[in-house]
Amino acid sequence: ETGVTQTPRHLVMGMTNKKSLKCEQHLGHNAMYWYKQSAKKPLELMFVYNFKEQTENNSVPSRFSPECPNSSHLFLHLHTLQPEDSALYLCASSQLLAVRNNEQFFGPGTRLTVL
Amino acid sequence: GQQLNQSPQSMFIQEGEDVSMNCTSSSIFNTWLWYKQDPGEGPVLLIALYKAGELTSNGRLTAQFGITRKDSFLNISASIPSDVGIYFCAGPPPNAGGTSYGKLTFGQGTILTVHP
Repeated sequence: ETGVTQTPRHLVMGMTNKKSLKCEQHLGHNAMYWYKQSAKKPLELMFVYNFKEQTENNSVPSRFSPECPNSSHLFLHLHTLQPEDSALYLCASSQLLAVRNNEQFFGPGTRLTVL
Repeated sequence: GQQLNQSPQSMFIQEGEDVSMNCTSSSIFNTWLWYKQDPGEGPVLLIALYKAGELTSNGRLTAQFGITRKDSFLNISASIPSDVGIYFCAGPPPNAGGTSYGKLTFGQGTILTVHP
């Protein structure tokens, strides 16, 4: 049903592993976002891509590396994470330069657990 | 950065009751968005408000854009168990433009529990 898909839905990884999260939007949007949602905290914006160009890196540690190969796909590469990085990672997309450009549509998220 | 304050933080109600929650800011917002997040899922957009004073409904949900532009309200009538979840307000931060274009500020959420 959702126009934004994320895989995997659940991921458990060790601190020395390398993994990637994938997001795909089927809405024809031109902006994509990564958010982190920890328990009892507001949504934290991590990265913003407008027209495939990164326009925001919200002081995110370098162990998180985003990649946006085209306007429909967004990846988050993970390397040497810490247990405190365990959270729900949400991807969203929106259509900039449109009347309703502020409306972001979210994927179901990837529940990440770092051991 | 700019903050959106949601109230109450949590609500425990009986099925059939009406619900009211709000979102306030110290700054003016030109757009208010209301999202609902079910457990283990991503937020889903419920209602978008674009004009001060605007009142918009989506089924049993009604949201209003405050006249001062510094607040918004969400009401749910005749609640049912599937209304359970976290409700977030959001809006573009003031003076959003340039590299801030498209960004949203989110409130901390109101957790709603509905008892059958």
